Amino acid sequence: AQSVAQPEDQVNVAEGNPLTVKCTYSVSGNPYLFWYVQYPNRGLQFLLKYITGDNLVKGSYGFEAEFNKSQTSFHLKKPSALVSDSALYFCAVKRNRGSTLGRLYFGRGTQLTVWP
Amino acid sequence: DAEITQSPRHKITETGRQVTLACHQTWNHNNMFWYRQDLGHGLRLIHYSYGVQDTNKGEVSDGYSVSRSNTEDLPLTLESAASSQTSVYFCASSESGLSYEQYFGPGTRLTVT
Repeated sequence: AQSVAQPEDQVNVAEGNPLTVKCTYSVSGNPYLFWYVQYPNRGLQFLLKYITGDNLVKGSYGFEAEFNKSQTSFHLKKPSALVSDSALYFCAVKRNRGSTLGRLYFGRGTQLTVWP
Repeated sequence: DAEITQSPRHKITETGRQVTLACHQTWNHNNMFWYRQDLGHGLRLIHYSYGVQDTNKGEVSDGYSVSRSNTEDLPLTLESAASSQTSVYFCASSESGLSYEQYFGPGTRLTVT
């Protein structure tokens, strides 16, 4: 089975503080991992992805994510949060082999609120 | 600029009616997807297509159908709308290949009364 877990429905952080949005995955084989952000009444926007190579991936708007194979995690991070980062964040995974090749599996999302 | 559009953006329909949601992309992507988003469930895959004349069922395909007659369009049809199909629907597209991300449309909010 393949799945993505975002253990926190909500994350609250003060502006200027570092933020982390957690994601763990469960797929067989090497995963392809993605983060998306959704602002109110909008579609999802791609933030970053891990395919191979360096475990620390940098993406849009100052976000980065760290791939940890032993912990099967792909946490999203930002050193200094902005109020404008407040949004719904989704982690997603693709399998790279098998009958469901290429399909994206999404977590349930984490609502990030950054207060001034 | 290339884009992916959905129409209508909002739709109210009655139970039992047939409804078609349009999705059009100008990226020239082979892969297209339909998702529904519901509170507490995240995004769930309804149908997807890897090219013209190719369609596949996702995890929540019952009551929905798609057809792919060209590269640009993947319309989603609700054969007989049910209240359980009240949701926000997103279309997405991507290039072929595992490493490519999906690009999402703005969504259609469908209410079935």
